[in-house]
Amino acid sequence: QVHLVESGGGVVQPGRSLRLSCAASGFTFGSYTMTWVRQAPGKGLEWLALVSYDGTNEHYADSVKGRFTLSRDNSKNTLYLQVNSLRVEDTAVYYCARELTGGLGLDYWGQGTLVTVSS
Amino acid sequence: EIVLTQSPATLSLSPGQRATLSCRATQSGSISLAWFQQKPGQAPRLLIYDASNRATGIPARFSGRGSGTDFALTISSLEPEDSAVYYCQLRTNWPPRITFGGGTKVEIK
Repeated sequence: QVHLVESGGGVVQPGRSLRLSCAASGFTFGSYTMTWVRQAPGKGLEWLALVSYDGTNEHYADSVKGRFTLSRDNSKNTLYLQVNSLRVEDTAVYYCARELTGGLGLDYWGQGTLVTVSS
Repeated sequence: EIVLTQSPATLSLSPGQRATLSCRATQSGSISLAWFQQKPGQAPRLLIYDASNRATGIPARFSGRGSGTDFALTISSLEPEDSAVYYCQLRTNWPPRITFGGGTKVEIK
């Protein structure tokens, strides 16, 4: 049974940093492209970044390029998102999701972790 | 940058009625189009992948169609539990990008 569990969210002041984690289980983690998606309160879904199955290729949305860094540790079945220079507008629920082979859709999602940026 | 426009923004229908949701892209050339259902307080759930394939466990009343720049999700006979926001999502090959539409809220009267 596939499970994705995010952690690392919380309340943080503007300008500070956080590292979000996504622990995967129930599948061969190192065989799948993984992504991060966020959702601000009452808003729609926003794609942030994706990383190839082996971690050699990362791609970012323009809105977070340079501030967010995606990585993965296949030996630990864990995906990470380092978020720096946080802004109030980064307040959102952050989801990790698994991508179907061939980029056909995001078939499993975690429950999300809430990041609140506030002074 | 590809933009996905979903319409209508809100759809209010009765149980048993047919719902058709539209998703239009500003350009073609993507890998695939997917549809998600999201209920309040929950993560999105994959309904349709590669434009027309139902994901595992998705009821047959959900169907997807389309290609190029125009896509649609149809719910053939609405059930009360179909009340949710529905998002389309496009994936491009190069550069690798994922884009979501703004969502359509389906309300069951």
